[in-house]
Amino acid sequence: DTEVTQTPKHLVMGMTNKKSLKCEQHMGHRAMYWYKQKAKKPPELMFVYSYEKLSINESVPSRFSPECPNSSLLNLHLHALQPEDSALYLCASSQERGEGPRYEQFFGPGTRLTVL
Amino acid sequence: AQSVTQPDIHITVSEGASLELRCNYSYGATPYLFWYVQSPGQGLQLLLKYFSGDTLVQGIKGFEAEFKRSQSSFNLRKPSVHWSDAAEYFCAVGPYNFNKFYFGSGTKLNVKP
Repeated sequence: DTEVTQTPKHLVMGMTNKKSLKCEQHMGHRAMYWYKQKAKKPPELMFVYSYEKLSINESVPSRFSPECPNSSLLNLHLHALQPEDSALYLCASSQERGEGPRYEQFFGPGTRLTVL
Repeated sequence: AQSVTQPDIHITVSEGASLELRCNYSYGATPYLFWYVQSPGQGLQLLLKYFSGDTLVQGIKGFEAEFKRSQSSFNLRKPSVHWSDAAEYFCAVGPYNFNKFYFGSGTKLNVKP
């Protein structure tokens, strides 16, 4: 299995809602990532988890709360979002965290989030 | 610092014509280079990658790319474009600095019938 799966595919939420995005991989990867991608822009890194521990937070607002309950799962909890948070949220995974070709990232299909 | 430049924001080609998308990178050591394609509303699909060895790499869907160290370029090519190739294409270098990918700003490809 060489896939990264993400659910839901689409999500519409109000600014007072609480929702979660889910990402799963069964490749035995120990590093997982969240990216945010606005329309017509490249993906921007949000968080990196390595061995289920948060290792990089790219100064993301606290209304985004990541969680890595086990080595296969990555969640992104959303609360009190703003309309400008509407974007495609991409999950990725790699064997481990490091530099070089061994740590190539595999991307999921994304969740299209709309905040009303 | 690492950076990636895709000089062309939009490109339009006729179906059946050849295609070249440009990518220039800035990095002092050995670059790890990727091309991804993204259809509207979809995730990133890896087309091809270069780590070392032969500088002409073949990818999926009939794409190829050539690494030219002297020009700091990794241009993507396809001899005959199909209407289904219309999408956004991203060049990327990495991972560096503990798994950071550096993406170019993307090139949107339109295909005329």
